[in-house]
Amino acid sequence: GAVVSQHPSWVICKSGTSVKIECRSLDFQATTMFWYRQFPKQSLMLMATSNEGSKATYEQGVEKDKFLINHASLTLSTLTVTSAHPEDSSFYICSAMAGGWDTQYFGPGTRLTVL
Amino acid sequence: GENVEQHPSTLSVQEGDSAVIKCTYSDSASNYFPWYKQELGKRPQLIIDIRSNVGEKKDQRIAVTLNKTAKHFSLHITETQPEDSAVYFCAAKGGSQGNLIFGKGTKLSVKP
Repeated sequence: GAVVSQHPSWVICKSGTSVKIECRSLDFQATTMFWYRQFPKQSLMLMATSNEGSKATYEQGVEKDKFLINHASLTLSTLTVTSAHPEDSSFYICSAMAGGWDTQYFGPGTRLTVL
Repeated sequence: GENVEQHPSTLSVQEGDSAVIKCTYSDSASNYFPWYKQELGKRPQLIIDIRSNVGEKKDQRIAVTLNKTAKHFSLHITETQPEDSAVYFCAAKGGSQGNLIFGKGTKLSVKP
């Protein structure tokens, strides 16, 4: 149990375009979902926390207008990278947590490359 | 806010030896400490966790110890195997929304 999927697994886009990444909890209701960014050989950097039906809470230094997060249902959260630029290229990973749980379960990640 | 320090950053052991990774945290209110294993290009996978009301937890070759007074916790892997090679992250649960604060990771290499 506790499976989290993420789509797409990789995406290549042109500079200036927007990219949407989906995160789904497959066998549990995720009241909270987290979005992380990971650079090569580095740790996970929390970008934002989203609770179903409410606005996401962004970490300091993360542009909310650039990284749009929507958590419209208990099984789906989306991250949209707007007007992507090469510096946005990274590995983006989501995680999900059910109400009352301590444990976060991670999606497989999305590798974004902006040309 | 919470801060998690993890050591060492790299660890190389011979197959069959033990490996120990240590983490310290700053927020005494933190009450949940998971360990994740991440293979290259893959998702972090939970391998063991411990809560603040427990001092030690073991699962086959893996164990975690927690010292609340000193605010540190450690991962112990015994009888290491080449497939244990990966990056290991410790984390502490902080913040009102259950955010995990991660250490910087330890790259473990197990040589056959």
